[in-house]
Amino acid sequence: EAGVVQSPRYKIIEKKQPVAFWCNPISGHNTLYWYRQNLGQGPELLIRYENEEAVDDSQLPKDRFSAERLKGVDSTLKIQPAELGDSAVYLCASSPWLAGVNNEQFFGPGTRLTVL
Amino acid sequence: AQSVTQPDIHITVSEGASLELRCNYSYGATPYLFWYVQSPGQGLQLLLKYFSGDTLVQGIKGFEAEFKRSQSSFNLRKPSVHWSDAAEYFCAVGPSNSGYALNFGKGTSLLVTP
Repeated sequence: EAGVVQSPRYKIIEKKQPVAFWCNPISGHNTLYWYRQNLGQGPELLIRYENEEAVDDSQLPKDRFSAERLKGVDSTLKIQPAELGDSAVYLCASSPWLAGVNNEQFFGPGTRLTVL
Repeated sequence: AQSVTQPDIHITVSEGASLELRCNYSYGATPYLFWYVQSPGQGLQLLLKYFSGDTLVQGIKGFEAEFKRSQSSFNLRKPSVHWSDAAEYFCAVGPSNSGYALNFGKGTSLLVTP
């Protein structure tokens, strides 16, 4: 079974430029998460989707970040314009939603963003 | 509010020696606890998880962890470390319901010396 796929793996851009990250979750997983991992820190949630609905985006900086999951499968996270402080690893994770079942998330390899 | 503390930022052990990585959590309800490992340039891989039942849980790669409710701890252990275990280790806590975000600690970086 294929795992969570993310692209690109690495991205270097200049500040004020736009950037987009793509994630394809594990087949059948209806919950999708975007986390940001700053250097030397643990991942922090940006947004969580249940199917195509964003059910938790309280930590997403909405002035410059946007995300979509139009058909409830793959997802795109965008930053426009990027700032120096956005340099981080952006991780996508997915999990199946099963009532009364514990919460195990499967992570992709991440996209390492460097903003110059 | 839920939180996870990993007191040790860096740990160095000799190959073949035993390992214990500490994790303390703060959570208002029954916690679901996880340990993930992250190798350089890689995503997070689940080592083990605790939801209920036996407080000593076994994971992959020879790791185990013990849940101690009285100490709010979930420490990770391995009896004999291999050079390939060098990586970043993250403890995480989450709610019991499926589909909710995890709250991660800041991680412990493990260095293994010959």
